Amino acid sequence: ILNVEQSPQSLHVQEGDSTNFTCSFPSSNFYALHWYRWETAKSPEALFVMTLNGDEKKKGRISATLNTKEGYSYLYIKGSQPEDSATYLCAFRMDSSYKLIFGSGTRLLVRP
Amino acid sequence: EAQVTQNPRYLITVTGKKLTVTCSQNMNHEYMSWYRQDPGLGLRQIYYSMNVEVTDKGDVPEGYKVSRKEKRNFPLILESPSPNQTSLYFCASSFGANYGYTFGSGTRLTVV
Repeated sequence: ILNVEQSPQSLHVQEGDSTNFTCSFPSSNFYALHWYRWETAKSPEALFVMTLNGDEKKKGRISATLNTKEGYSYLYIKGSQPEDSATYLCAFRMDSSYKLIFGSGTRLLVRP
Repeated sequence: EAQVTQNPRYLITVTGKKLTVTCSQNMNHEYMSWYRQDPGLGLRQIYYSMNVEVTDKGDVPEGYKVSRKEKRNFPLILESPSPNQTSLYFCASSFGANYGYTFGSGTRLTVV
């Protein structure tokens, strides 16, 4: 069974802090890496889909990088705001499969 | 509005009583998938469909059935529900592997 690991499991920061978390995935047969934002009582929403080694994506204060050779992706949030509080999920797809395998998420709480 | 619609949102049922959770998308997406979310675990894939009449098992298919007779609909069927199928279920769809998923609102199922 393929494993997608996210760290840390949870993170508490102050408003204005910048933060980052990690997603680790198998480095062989890579096809795509997804990031999602999941607020409490809502559904996950897609942030980024990355497919190439060295990819960097940005949406407002949130950005992500991808290293497929070593099997990791970082998600960065610059100047965290309370509305950034959510669980951030990454998901990995292998080239031989249509399956999308999710990590357990990093739960971020931003204190005002 | 582009969306994935799941019904019902909440369901309490008894062991052994067949039920269907419906999922419909209005975005002409080819790819649809069902996931379950349990405490401490990531989203785990139950079944997925690459197109009409094409379905395949995910990581936890036991006790579930699906069908894809039309592009927009992908119902999840529990022929004989058991308490270990108590969970939060999400339907999701996308244009393909390089696109983010759009998730439904979720169905919270309790089997007693």
